[in-house]
Amino acid sequence: GQQVMQIPQYQHVQEGEDFTTYCNSSTTLSNIQWYKQRPGGHPVFLIQLVKSGEVKKQKRLTFQFGEAKKNSSLHITATQTTDVGTYFCAPNNAGNMLTFGGGTRLMVKP
Amino acid sequence: NAGVTQTPKFQVLKTGQSMTLQCAQDMNHEYMSWYRQDPGMGLRLIHYSVGAGITDQGEVPNGYNVSRSTTEDFPLRLLSAAPSQTSVYFCASSPLAGRSYEQYFGPGTRLTVT
Repeated sequence: GQQVMQIPQYQHVQEGEDFTTYCNSSTTLSNIQWYKQRPGGHPVFLIQLVKSGEVKKQKRLTFQFGEAKKNSSLHITATQTTDVGTYFCAPNNAGNMLTFGGGTRLMVKP
Repeated sequence: NAGVTQTPKFQVLKTGQSMTLQCAQDMNHEYMSWYRQDPGMGLRLIHYSVGAGITDQGEVPNGYNVSRSTTEDFPLRLLSAAPSQTSVYFCASSPLAGRSYEQYFGPGTRLTVT
């Protein structure tokens, strides 16, 4: 499957600060999904990116897919305590098969 | 709709015991899969199914068996539990096999093997 590296592994931010997590691949990705997992919970789908250079927004969250389709990022503006959790990128192989990155764990200090 | 349900929520096994983790979905999804998540790590695919009667191996299939006799159910069997199988197990489903759709995850089963 397609391997991806997510950075950083952990991020502590003060509430109100911005946060970005990056997902990098050595190979071209057909598409990529992003999931959020709250502590003790299960992954929940956030978005899917398919097109080169695609940018999608969901309220304070901005998702980007690189022009070469080898990297992706998730940016959260003005973090809130409700943003706490681990964010995973997951390239999609051959239809439904997801390969999850290691995740970025976001902690927000109120 | 209940979505994806998993039982049990927690389980403790002794080394060598066998058990079945249950997964069911009521959304008529074709695609179902099992992942394991070790502490502080991402999810790794164990087995998946693109429809009733069809299963295939994922990234870490050793020590696990699956079957898909109905669209709704996709049980995961641990043949002879080992401490290395201590993990959280998630079942997921997706509408159509062969196409990229969001996956719906169950609440997970926390398994400890002593």
